Amino acid sequence: ETGVTQTPRHLVMGMTNKKSLKCEQHLGHNAMYWYKQSAKKPLELMFVYSLEERVENNSVPSRFSPECPNSSHLFLHLHTLQPEDSALYLCASSQVREREYGYTFGSGTRLTVV
Amino acid sequence: GDSVTQMEGPVTLSEEAFLTINCTYTATGYPSLFWYVQYPGEGLQLLLKATKADDKGSNKGFEATYRKETTSFHLEKGSVQVSDSAVYFCALTVAYNTDKLIFGTGTRLQVFP
Repeated sequence: ETGVTQTPRHLVMGMTNKKSLKCEQHLGHNAMYWYKQSAKKPLELMFVYSLEERVENNSVPSRFSPECPNSSHLFLHLHTLQPEDSALYLCASSQVREREYGYTFGSGTRLTVV
Repeated sequence: GDSVTQMEGPVTLSEEAFLTINCTYTATGYPSLFWYVQYPGEGLQLLLKATKADDKGSNKGFEATYRKETTSFHLEKGSVQVSDSAVYFCALTVAYNTDKLIFGTGTRLQVFP
């Protein structure tokens, strides 16, 4: 399998549930990202991992907890979410300092919080 | 700070019409510029890119030229198809430690037969 794979594609969860989103990249990249895409809002960069170290956390609520166990895998752990957290969550990867190649995105996880 | 400004959509066209989606940027240093496309229910796919002034990126009939003098990277296509209906994002990176990709707000294109 190639590219960036996100699972699950769709997730419905209650506000008291705990769930995790998974992202896996098969490109040999060394940086990974979580983005949130809500209707009628710009893409929001949530977290950045570079060389397995978190280098950016854009004031994201603590109910979102990222984990990057190695350069190929990225998780987003979710707990006690709110309905306004319903969105498409996109994972991306890149090679640090090879900016001319941009990012490769996964297909996203469509999250609905009920 | 670094930013990207895109024209607001939706852009509505008939099949075979000419497409332009405007994109301008503000950046320190010399950014690389990108257009990404997002089809319904999917993630973002890289459409084309340009890494230095006067470069032209092209793919699937789409083109964009990196214009440093006007800080622009407008997307064009000579004859759109219904299958081109999607959201188009202009983006840039600057060479900081994380090579952060900065997106515009996206422009929805709707093409009708």
